[in-house]
Amino acid sequence: ETGVTQTPRHLVMGMTNKKSLKCEQHLGHNAMYWYKQSAKKPLELMFVYNFKEQTENNSVPSRFSPECPNSSHLFLHLHTLQPEDSALYLCASSQDIGGSYEQYFGPGTRLTVT
Amino acid sequence: GQNIDQPTEMTATEGAIVQINCTYQTSGFNGLFWYQQHAGEAPTFLSYNVLDGLEEKGRFSSFLSRSKGYSYLLLKELQMKDSASYLCAVMDSNYQLIWGAGTKLIIKP
Repeated sequence: ETGVTQTPRHLVMGMTNKKSLKCEQHLGHNAMYWYKQSAKKPLELMFVYNFKEQTENNSVPSRFSPECPNSSHLFLHLHTLQPEDSALYLCASSQDIGGSYEQYFGPGTRLTVT
Repeated sequence: GQNIDQPTEMTATEGAIVQINCTYQTSGFNGLFWYQQHAGEAPTFLSYNVLDGLEEKGRFSSFLSRSKGYSYLLLKELQMKDSASYLCAVMDSNYQLIWGAGTKLIIKP
């Protein structure tokens, strides 16, 4: 595997379910990110991890819970979601935070909350 | 507040040139990025500007004017595969990327 991978690619869940999204990067990067992408809206940064430490939490509701066990893996645990949480969830990684470090994105998980 | 503005949609003809504009108002500035995103796919990096001027990379060029809070992405010799959304993003003083909503570019034969 190369680059950034995400599983599952598609997820349908009810509002009472608990599920987790997984992201893995094979690039040796130190920073990882979760973004939410809704149609015709800007990418919304949710969480940032640098060297496994969470550095940003952009006022994300507690029904979204991130976990970063090591620099290569990032999870997003979901519980009691709302229909408005339906979106594409993108994971990204970069060598470090700031400067010219470009972010490499995974293919995303298309989440539908019913 | 922080704001990135870019046109929602543009149409151009195969073989032609198109310029996609981006204006920004952010808390500090640590560089501007352009990304390309094909429908149903992940965004991919195109360019990074931190100093004023034009950066050329093959058929794509990116320009920055920090004093005007303005950038553009110039695509030359358009090909059908250039049909995609183009995302402008600015890194603010906290080294967070602030994203525009993207410009959907439609290429017609």
